[in-house]
Amino acid sequence: GQNIDQPTEMTATEGAIVQINCTYQTSGFNGLFWYQQHAGEAPTFLSYNVLDGLEEKGRFSSFLSRSKGYSYLLLKELQMKDSASYLCAVRDNTGGFKTIFGAGTRLFVKA
Amino acid sequence: ETGVTQSPTHLIKTRGQQVTLRCSSQSGHNTVSWYQQALGQGPQFIFQYYREEENGRGNFPPRFSGLQFPNYSSELNVNALELDDSALYLCASSLSRGGAYEQYFGPGTRLTVT
Repeated sequence: GQNIDQPTEMTATEGAIVQINCTYQTSGFNGLFWYQQHAGEAPTFLSYNVLDGLEEKGRFSSFLSRSKGYSYLLLKELQMKDSASYLCAVRDNTGGFKTIFGAGTRLFVKA
Repeated sequence: ETGVTQSPTHLIKTRGQQVTLRCSSQSGHNTVSWYQQALGQGPQFIFQYYREEENGRGNFPPRFSGLQFPNYSSELNVNALELDDSALYLCASSLSRGGAYEQYFGPGTRLTVT
C-alpha cells in the first residue's frame, strides 16, 4: 500500500531556516509534491521532484531520494506568513493515477 | 487565485440524502481530481478524471461517483450520505494525463451532514 509520514508540528523563529521531512512508501512512484495550506484555504503548489536531488525555488527548496523514500522541504529566511500546514504528496501510478497526501506538518513561526 | 472554481461554498445535508458538488477547471486543464479533507488531516484522494474518463480511484465506496464534461468541468456525487462524509471537498485541475505536474486547487465545498 501507500504510506506517507511527516512530523505533526514544528516551531521556528522568524528569519531562521527550517527543514520539514517526509518519508513515503509506494509501489508506483511517479513524483513527489509539496503544498502549502493556510488555515481555511486550499492547498497551493510549492514544488515537484521526480528525480533525485535538490530543486530550489526562491526561499523554498525540496530534496528527493527515491532509494530512501525520503524528501524534505527547506524554508529559508522564515517569515510570519510562512505559518501554515505543509503537505507532502506522492504521485502513484499503480492501478491508475492517484495522489496520496500526508497528514501535513503545521509550522508555527514565532517572532 | 488559481482559476479553479467550486460550488456551492457551503452545504448542509441530512443523513441518507444525496449531494452533487461542482468544479470548473482552470482554462486549458484536461485532468481533474477530487479530494476529501477532514479537519486537521491531509486531503484524501477520491478519484481522477482525464478527458471524461475515470483513470484513478482511491479507497472510497461506490456511492462516491463523478463525471467530467467535454469542457473539463466536473461533478462529484455522493449518495446515501453518512455523518462521516462531513468534510471539505476539494477539486484540483492539472494539465497532463498522469497529473505529473502541479495541481491547482479550488477553494473547496464545506459539506456538513446532520
